[in-house]
Amino acid sequence: QVQLQESGPGLVKPSGTLSLTCAVSGDSISSINWWTWVRQPPGKGLQWIGEIYHRGDTNYNPSLERRVTISVDKSRNQFSLKLTSLTAADTAVYWCARDYKDCSGRRCIGWLDPWGPGILVTVSS
Amino acid sequence: DIQMDQSPSSLSASVGDRVTITCRASQSISTNLNWYQQRPGKTPNVLIYAVSKSQSGVPSRFRGSGSGTDFTLTISSLQPEDSATYYCQQSYSTPYSFGQGTKVEI
Repeated sequence: QVQLQESGPGLVKPSGTLSLTCAVSGDSISSINWWTWVRQPPGKGLQWIGEIYHRGDTNYNPSLERRVTISVDKSRNQFSLKLTSLTAADTAVYWCARDYKDCSGRRCIGWLDPWGPGILVTVSS
Repeated sequence: DIQMDQSPSSLSASVGDRVTITCRASQSISTNLNWYQQRPGKTPNVLIYAVSKSQSGVPSRFRGSGSGTDFTLTISSLQPEDSATYYCQQSYSTPYSFGQGTKVEI
């Protein structure tokens, strides 16, 4: 059974940096899957933040790209999110998720499964 | 970037009703369309992937259809536990965008 677990501070100061880690169990972070971060501000919809492949390849949401870094630690089977220059608008529940890839067809398809339980991060002084 | 437009934003229906949620992509996304269910205060969970394939354990009343740019999630007989917000997501090209969500109230 694949499980993901986010960890990190629940409260960070404006202009500071958010650092979250996602520990993966039941699957190797070096598999064909990608590893993703998603967030949801209170009362709002889901926003895809970005993803990483075990070789270090990344894709980011252009709206956050200047401030976001996703990295992978293969030795610990985990990946991390850093988001800088925080404002109140970054207050959200942050989830990590596996972007499961099925490459049995002509083109790979992917979907987010499973997700971690999520962590609420509040940006406030 | 691909924009995903979901409708309606909310709906109210009764137990046993047939419910349809639509999702339109700003460009063709082939079959790279997924549906997620998020119950209040909970983590989203995939219901349908690749337009019409049901995730293991998902009740058969949930069905996905469509192709190209227009997609539909149908709940054939609404149950009390289906009260949730439903999101479509395209996984055709990054950034993998979500629709705005459809809140289903019973």
